Amino acid sequence: DQQVKQNSPSLSVQEGRISILNCDYTNSMFDYFLWYKKYPAEGPTFLISISSIKDKNEDGRFTVFLNKSAKHLSLHIVPSQPGDSAVYFCAARATSGTYKYIFGTGTRLKVLA
Amino acid sequence: DSGVTQTPKHLITATGQRVTLRCSPRSGDLSVYWYQQSLDQGLQFLIQYYNGEERAKGNILERFSAQQFPDLHSELNLSSLELGDSALYFCASSVGSNTDTQYFGPGTRLTVL
Repeated sequence: DQQVKQNSPSLSVQEGRISILNCDYTNSMFDYFLWYKKYPAEGPTFLISISSIKDKNEDGRFTVFLNKSAKHLSLHIVPSQPGDSAVYFCAARATSGTYKYIFGTGTRLKVLA
Repeated sequence: DSGVTQTPKHLITATGQRVTLRCSPRSGDLSVYWYQQSLDQGLQFLIQYYNGEERAKGNILERFSAQQFPDLHSELNLSSLELGDSALYFCASSVGSNTDTQYFGPGTRLTVL
């Protein structure tokens, strides 16, 4: 039972354009969401997070949007740079319960120069 | 560098054997999390310890066990290893155990032959 889904395993974008990575979840109890970036041979690195009381959080070139009614979040990277090429994981958790994070399977982003 | 260290970096062993993976959290972090990433899979949460005590349990097999020591480092023990246990094992740490950001180590790649 995959509670957090990233349905696009890969995405290619031209340098300077917008990258949009999507994530869907099924558990309505999830109220905190994060995006991690992972380069080969390294552990995931925290990128940005959003609480369910917000619908948008911005940090530089990275913006996360949350649509609670659709149980959908997206990560926008503008403008995309070749150094953004990595695997991006979204994760979700519920603040009640066991506090464990559920990760998606990841989307491999390739930014073409 | 996240500040989380994991040893060893690579481990090759045979089926039926037992191995121990070690994790040192960031200075000041009380929580340690263990994750498994199999080929083309997302990060599967295994277990969390907070200040020496088990806090949350995920999809951890009975053949696997973990502990967190008084100095806050943690060990993940995998026994009766099977081919399917081959994976990347990540450790992460956070200050507390609620919505704190998790910082990941570089991982241990386990290969079971």
